[in-house]
Amino acid sequence: SQQGEEDPQALSIQEGENATMNCSYKTSINNLQWYRQNSGRGLVHLILIRSNEREKHSGRLRVTLDTSKKSSSLLITASRAADTASYFCATGNNQGGKLIFGQGTELSVKP
Amino acid sequence: DVKVTQSSRYLVKRTGEKVFLECVQDMDHENMFWYRQDPGLGLRLIYFSYDVKMKEKGDIPEGYSVSREKKERFSLILESASTSQTSMYLCASSSPGVGDTQYFGPGTRLTVL
Repeated sequence: SQQGEEDPQALSIQEGENATMNCSYKTSINNLQWYRQNSGRGLVHLILIRSNEREKHSGRLRVTLDTSKKSSSLLITASRAADTASYFCATGNNQGGKLIFGQGTELSVKP
Repeated sequence: DVKVTQSSRYLVKRTGEKVFLECVQDMDHENMFWYRQDPGLGLRLIYFSYDVKMKEKGDIPEGYSVSREKKERFSLILESASTSQTSMYLCASSSPGVGDTQYFGPGTRLTVL
């Protein structure tokens, strides 16, 4: 079942620019997570924000969560070519560890 | 560091063959998951397991089965492989109480001819 939907589907920027990706979801959640996937590899967890949090930072990552709008955004500041990857949001609602993943945003950072 | 390993990175099989995909995690996680990933469809949950010998169907279990005889190992079985099962298969594990954060293996790209 589809829960998170990322926007845009693809994003191309220059090194040094900021990249913003958005995620919308449909049902109530306990937490929302962002993952990164390099081409042809597994997903790597980036950051988790709980439903009672509004903003969270980790290095160059900033995540916001608006539960009234059922949406989240991931901001990557001062992007680097190495940030080129697909980024997925995933929602958890205490259903035994299950997460529901969106379809991802493909980010391309050009040197 | 959590490590999740999958038995093969690339696999080529013929239609009708029985296929085993193995996943092993080294962090004593209770939960394990199998997903398939296809372009435009994102990650879709095939099966998951909360504990040894426990299994639950995900969103697309048809044509698949699983086995979890030991806590660290979760196997995905394609009883009779079909070309529609050509995909990237991802295994993940997690532990309750850590926010459901999942740790993924590197993936197995399966091609069924």
